[in-house]
Amino acid sequence: SQQGEEDPQALSIQEGENATMNCSYKTSINNLQWYRQNSGRGLVHLILIRSNEREKHSGRLRVTLDTSKKSSSLLITASRAADTASYFCATGYSSASKIIFGSGTRLSIRP
Amino acid sequence: DAGVIQSPRHEVTEMGQEVTLRCKPISGHNSLFWYRQTMMRGLELLIYFNNNVPIDDSGMPEDRFSAKMPNASFSTLKIQPSEPRDSAVYFCASSEPTGNLYGYTFGSGTRLTVV
Repeated sequence: SQQGEEDPQALSIQEGENATMNCSYKTSINNLQWYRQNSGRGLVHLILIRSNEREKHSGRLRVTLDTSKKSSSLLITASRAADTASYFCATGYSSASKIIFGSGTRLSIRP
Repeated sequence: DAGVIQSPRHEVTEMGQEVTLRCKPISGHNSLFWYRQTMMRGLELLIYFNNNVPIDDSGMPEDRFSAKMPNASFSTLKIQPSEPRDSAVYFCASSEPTGNLYGYTFGSGTRLTVV
């Protein structure tokens, strides 16, 4: 069963704009991860944030985590056509266990 | 490293046939995961191994599915007999001994079509 739910399910923005995707989950976690999946390909790990962290950056990516609200957001700044993909959040419950994926957000960048 | 290698990339089989999917994890990774992806159900964890030992197979849909990891560099997922509802993309992923703190590395997947 899926632990995380992403919002929105689909997002279309103009190239150069910022894209924000949200993820909500139900039970306490050890960490939360974001992955990207291009059409017909496997998933690629983007960033991991631990439960004791509130914000993390990686290049044009910014992830926040609010454990009191059981939610996370992924911000992609200055979007590019190559950012067109599906983005998934995944929740982990200990340092050596499975992760459960959310339903994903389909992001389309218009040129 | 060539990454996680899955074979075949595509498989088309008739209902009732046995299907075997293969995965070679990244060398040095001690955890291996099998996921199934469909439009209706999204990404589902089927089973995962730590140090070649199955830890959680609660996601395996039914007895028709079985998975093995005979050594650290090879795993198989077998479906026998296959059914049309098994049609999906099956992904294998592996992670480092520190667990999932650095994320998983996924293979390119096997697209299975059962007709």
